[in-house]
Amino acid sequence: KQEVTQIPAALSVPEGENLVLNCSFTDSAIYNLQWFRQDPGKGLTSLLLIQSSQREQTSGRLNASLDKSSGRSTLYIAASQPGDSATYLCAVGVTSGSRLTFGEGTQLTVNP
Amino acid sequence: DTAVSQTPKYLVTQMGNDKSIKCEQNLGHDTMYWYKQDSKKFLKIMFSYNNKELIINETVPNRFSPKSPDKAHLNLHINSLELGDSAVYFCASSQEVAFRFGNTIYFGEGSWLTVV
Repeated sequence: KQEVTQIPAALSVPEGENLVLNCSFTDSAIYNLQWFRQDPGKGLTSLLLIQSSQREQTSGRLNASLDKSSGRSTLYIAASQPGDSATYLCAVGVTSGSRLTFGEGTQLTVNP
Repeated sequence: DTAVSQTPKYLVTQMGNDKSIKCEQNLGHDTMYWYKQDSKKFLKIMFSYNNKELIINETVPNRFSPKSPDKAHLNLHINSLELGDSAVYFCASSQEVAFRFGNTIYFGEGSWLTVV
């Protein structure tokens, strides 16, 4: 059974700092790995999707890496801004049915 | 234009009642889902439908019954509501084959259910 773990559970940083969020998963039989952002009272917004054959994806100040063999992914946020404050969720697309298995999220606070 | 829309957004109801949450997607996707987010913010899949047919049914009490009248709609009906059903319910959709090759899942904004 696939399990996804995110560390840390919460993170508070000053504005401008670079930061890394971590995600690990137990079963390497995945289609893809996605990072989502969730704002309070809102749904999920997909940030980056990495196919199982890829090693990283970049979008603006965000960079996500995937090491399938070790079951790890990182989300790197450069030059953090207060508007980046949200919960970041990692999810793996598993091969048994079209579904996502989510981690519990990292709650990020960027202080001005 | 909202891609995945669900109603109601907020629902407060008493224990024992029966309630429904509706979901519609205008993306032309063939697969729709219901996810539940509990008080600890943990998101877990409940059901998945592909072309109106149930393909995933996790360990969910049979008080929860999804209904898909067509592939653009997936409604969730809950009978005999219990306190523990209080959560946020998210509807989502994807194109199944495209999902396997890199397309994402689109989520609705959630329905906050509170059972009192």
